[in-house]
Amino acid sequence: QSALTQPRSVSGSPGQSVTISCTGTSSDVGGYDYVSWYQQHPGKAPKLMIYDVNKRPSGVPDRFSGSKSGNTASLTISGLQAEDEADYYCCSYAGSYIWVFGGGTKLTVL
Amino acid sequence: EVQMVESGGGLVKPGGSLRLSCAASGFTFSNAWMNWVRQAPGKGLEWISHIKSKSVGGTTDYAAPVKGRFTISRDDSKNTLYLQMSSLKSEDTAVYYCTTTLGIAAAGFWGQGTLVTVSS
Repeated sequence: QSALTQPRSVSGSPGQSVTISCTGTSSDVGGYDYVSWYQQHPGKAPKLMIYDVNKRPSGVPDRFSGSKSGNTASLTISGLQAEDEADYYCCSYAGSYIWVFGGGTKLTVL
Repeated sequence: EVQMVESGGGLVKPGGSLRLSCAASGFTFSNAWMNWVRQAPGKGLEWISHIKSKSVGGTTDYAAPVKGRFTISRDDSKNTLYLQMSSLKSEDTAVYYCTTTLGIAAAGFWGQGTLVTVSS
């Protein structure tokens, strides 16, 4: 199972919106509505931000939203804030209870 | 408050074995489906194993790189998740996190991780 494809880095200024893409195949992203997104600050454990494509766990700001079209899922962060600077990972169900992660995207807040 | 504390990491020689533990609290562990996810130094996340609750059979699944070498298990009486690792390779060097499962395929809560270094 190959890793999902994410851009290595994205950037935006405070207050702007950024979108991070996550491309897979019909065997993972395109085949199931089970895409999740994680935020990881340096030296910390990852934190779940979005699950089941577009659901937010309790406590996650509504500035974070998820979507999916075909084999590509997206995470959009609106009203960018300094504390959003982190690494972001997508993850998809790939059938038979197997999960596959993306390579990660470094978000820089300018 | 949900808490998961991993332990058991350390330095091990190639070909050696190690058992990781994850002590859980703040939720009904026996009902939880659990995972191990690892992160090699400076690299991305990699899902490696999953165990369902005993109420639905306690079945397990593994990623290809660890299948046949790693064994996930659980002791619901101790609220503890385990990962028995054998035939370790240098590429198994990573921080190992235990996580809960939210829904079908999301890691809801994460422990702080434990570092495993495989080196001679």
